[in-house]
Amino acid sequence: QVQLQESGPGLVKPSETLSLTCTVSGDSVGGAGHYWNWIRQPPGKGLEWIGYIYYSGTTNYNPSLKSRLTTSIDTSKNQYSLKLSSVTTADTAVYYCARGGTLSGLDVWGQGTTVTVSS
Amino acid sequence: DIQMTQSPSTLSASVGDRVTITCRASQNIGSWVAWYQQKPGKAPKLLIYKASTLQSGVPSTFSGSESGTEFTLTISSLQPDDFATYYCLQYNSYSPGGFTFGPGTKVDIK
Repeated sequence: QVQLQESGPGLVKPSETLSLTCTVSGDSVGGAGHYWNWIRQPPGKGLEWIGYIYYSGTTNYNPSLKSRLTTSIDTSKNQYSLKLSSVTTADTAVYYCARGGTLSGLDVWGQGTTVTVSS
Repeated sequence: DIQMTQSPSTLSASVGDRVTITCRASQNIGSWVAWYQQKPGKAPKLLIYKASTLQSGVPSTFSGSESGTEFTLTISSLQPDDFATYYCLQYNSYSPGGFTFGPGTKVDIK
């Protein structure tokens, strides 16, 4: 059974960098079959796709976040990570990691982690 | 970038009703649309992928269809567990700007 679990600080100060990690079990982030996504949901609002990273390091990012976004993949720990710089209160959201398949879209999701940007 | 419009934004229905939710893409995306159900405080759950393929374990009361750039999620007989918010997602990997979610449709009790 594939499971994803987000982890990271729940509170980040404005202008600082938000860092999150997704730990994967039951599948390998180093395999060619899937790509590894981040999605967020501000309080009371809809879902926003942030971006994905492939095992090769290839990335695809939401243009609205691209200038502040860095993702990485660590096959030794079976994890992938997100860094979002220069955060503002608009970055307050529940952040989800999700596995993507070429055919199936985003098929397995983590439970989500709440990140609040506040001084 | 590809935009996904979704309608209606809110839908009031009763148990047993047939419910239809529509997403329209701003340009051709092939069949690369998935549908998700989300309940408060929970992660989205995949219902349908590639426009019309039912995800394993999802009740057959859910179905998806497409016509050009218009995609439809149908619930043939609404059950109590189906009251939730539904999102479409376009995941055409060749689309400029990556993937896009629709704004969502909240299905509540009439």
